[in-house]
Amino acid sequence: QVQLVQSGPEVKEPGASVKVSCKTSGFTFIDYHMHWVRQAPGQGLEWMGLINANSGTIDYAQIFEGRVTITRDTSLNTVYLELRTLRSDDTAVYYCVREGDGYKKFDYWGQGNLVTVSS
Amino acid sequence: QSALTQSASVSGSPGQSITISCTGTNSDVGGYNYVSWYQQHPGKAPKLMIHDVSDRPSGVSNRFSGSKSGNTASLTIAGLQAEDEADYYCASYTSTSTPYVFGTGTKVTVL
Repeated sequence: QVQLVQSGPEVKEPGASVKVSCKTSGFTFIDYHMHWVRQAPGQGLEWMGLINANSGTIDYAQIFEGRVTITRDTSLNTVYLELRTLRSDDTAVYYCVREGDGYKKFDYWGQGNLVTVSS
Repeated sequence: QSALTQSASVSGSPGQSITISCTGTNSDVGGYNYVSWYQQHPGKAPKLMIHDVSDRPSGVSNRFSGSKSGNTASLTIAGLQAEDEADYYCASYTSTSTPYVFGTGTKVTVL
């Protein structure tokens, strides 16, 4: 069965960077696009970016350009999100998400990583 | 890219039908049939309920249906049940520099 297992919670100080991982199994990793979506406490969902797991081509939300990097390791079937120059409003649960067959829909979600930015 | 607009809350009694709306622009909802809907219970990851405006993934109850007219998409829940109480988000592909956008979210309460 499809599984997306994310790394554990993180606590970072303002200005630091964080890198979270998402290990996938149960499907052919390179056949899919993988996305990152975040949700601040009590707030809605916010799309951050995606990576074509085969080609490595990426696309980021304009609001995160220059601060975010999404990468993948095809030997580990794992996708990563790095966010730099953290601010308090980056405190959120970060989800990795698979884009489903036929595209443009998010069919499997990881369990989420809470990243807390606090001094 | 601004979030798609959803009503903040909708409520209904068990057995009733409710409809949640999701309004965008002709650059997103109105321009593509790539609207999807997600259900999120507290503390849980979202779950795909509808994709491509009106298609239901395997395993999703047929009480959930989707439609679109112009720049507004809708999710209807028929025969409301206690387990349907959750937050619901729409999402759309867009032609802007940010290719995906979510709605603001709707809290569904079963009275």
